Amino acid sequence: QKEVEQDPGPLSVPEGAIVSLNCTYSNSAFQYFMWYRQYSRKGPELLMYTYSSGNKEDGRFTAQVDKSSKYISLFIRDSQPSDSATYLCAMSTGGYNKLIFGAGTRLAVHP
Amino acid sequence: EPEVTQTPSHQVTQMGQEVILRCVPISNHLYFYWYRQILGQKVEFLVSFYNNEISEKSEIFDDQFSVERPDGSNFTLKIRSTKLEDSAMYFCASSVKRGADTQYFGPGTRLTVL
Repeated sequence: QKEVEQDPGPLSVPEGAIVSLNCTYSNSAFQYFMWYRQYSRKGPELLMYTYSSGNKEDGRFTAQVDKSSKYISLFIRDSQPSDSATYLCAMSTGGYNKLIFGAGTRLAVHP
Repeated sequence: EPEVTQTPSHQVTQMGQEVILRCVPISNHLYFYWYRQILGQKVEFLVSFYNNEISEKSEIFDDQFSVERPDGSNFTLKIRSTKLEDSAMYFCASSVKRGADTQYFGPGTRLTVL
C-alpha cells in the first residue's frame, strides 16, 4: 500500500464550481498535513496547512483532516480559471519535517 | 515577499559528469531541503540540512550526492557522476523553524542527463 494516495485526475470543472480534492494515507504517525499548488514547470506553492485533525478555512479554500479515516480533503469554492493547476497533498510526521507527497491531482477550471 | 531562488533553471549534462545545483534560501531560514520530481512522478524527498549537517536523507541520496552550505546564503546539491535516471526537476526548500508548515519551495532546476 502506498504511503500517500491521490487520484491524479485530470479533473475538469466549470468556473464557479465547488472542487473537492482528496488524499488517503496509511501512516498513522502523520501529524502535519499540507496542500500545495503547482503550476506547470514551477515549484510547489504552499496553500494550506493543518495540524492533526480538524478544519481550516482560508478564503475560498477549506482543508479538512480526518485522522480516524486517514483521509484529507481540500475544497475550493467558486473555482476560477486561475485555479487550474496541479494540487499536491503532503504530509509529515514532524521531526525534521520530511514531506511525503501524493501524486498530485491536475485540475482544469474552464470559463 | 522573500522567496527561494535556484540556479540554473535548466542544466544539461552528459552522463558521468558532475553537476552542482544552487539555491539561495530565504534569508532568515534555518532548515534546508532538496526534493526531486521525475517527470510525471511524485515529488520525492532527498535530504534535509540544519546547523551545517545533514538531518535526514532518503534512500535516493546515495554516495553520489552531497550537500553544502558554502557561505551564509547559498545551499548546493552536488551530483558527482550523473546517471540518466537523475534527470528530473530538483527543488530546494527552506523553513524558518522546525515545523512542517513552513517549507517554501524554489522554482526548481530542470536537470537533463544525456
